[in-house]
Amino acid sequence: EVQLVESGGGLVQPGGSLRLSCAASGFTFSSYEMNWVRQAPGKGLEWVSYISSSGSTIHYADSVKGRFTISRDNAKNSLYLRMNSLRAEDTAVYYCARDPSTFTTIFDSWGQGSLVTVSS
Amino acid sequence: DIQMTQSPSSLSAYVGDRVIITCRASQSISNYLNWYQQKPGKAPKLLIYVASNSQSGVPSRFSGGGSGTDFTLTISSLQPEDFATYYCQQSYSIPWTFGQGTKVEIE
Repeated sequence: EVQLVESGGGLVQPGGSLRLSCAASGFTFSSYEMNWVRQAPGKGLEWVSYISSSGSTIHYADSVKGRFTISRDNAKNSLYLRMNSLRAEDTAVYYCARDPSTFTTIFDSWGQGSLVTVSS
Repeated sequence: DIQMTQSPSSLSAYVGDRVIITCRASQSISNYLNWYQQKPGKAPKLLIYVASNSQSGVPSRFSGGGSGTDFTLTISSLQPEDFATYYCQQSYSIPWTFGQGTKVEIE
């Protein structure tokens, strides 16, 4: 069974930093592209970042570019999101999502989410 | 960025009703369109990918169609467990973007 489990969320002050982790199991993690998608309270879904299976290709939404860093450790079956210079508008549930396709982007499995709250 | 617009934003329907949700892209996205279902407090779940392909395990009452800029998600006979929020997502170009969501409620 595919499992994605996020951790590392919490309350942080504006300007602070946080690192989210996503532990993967039940599939060959190193073969899949991965993404982070977030959802502000009561709002819709927003794609945040993408990383290829090898980690060689990375993309970010403009809203987080220069502040967030996505990475992965295929030996540890783990995905990460380092978030710096956090703002109130970054408050959201952050989901890691698996992409099984090589010709398009499909989020076929999601974690349960990790809540990040940016507030003083 | 490609803007995705869903209609309606919310709807009320009875169990057994046929429900159609529309998603319009701000430019042509071929058939690179996916649909997700999200229930309160839960992660989204993939229903349909590449416009009309059903994800494994998804009931056959869910179907998708369209191409270019206009797409539909149809629930042929609404069931109690289908009350949720539905999102479309384009995978044609980065940044991948979602519609604002359509909340399906009990009439």
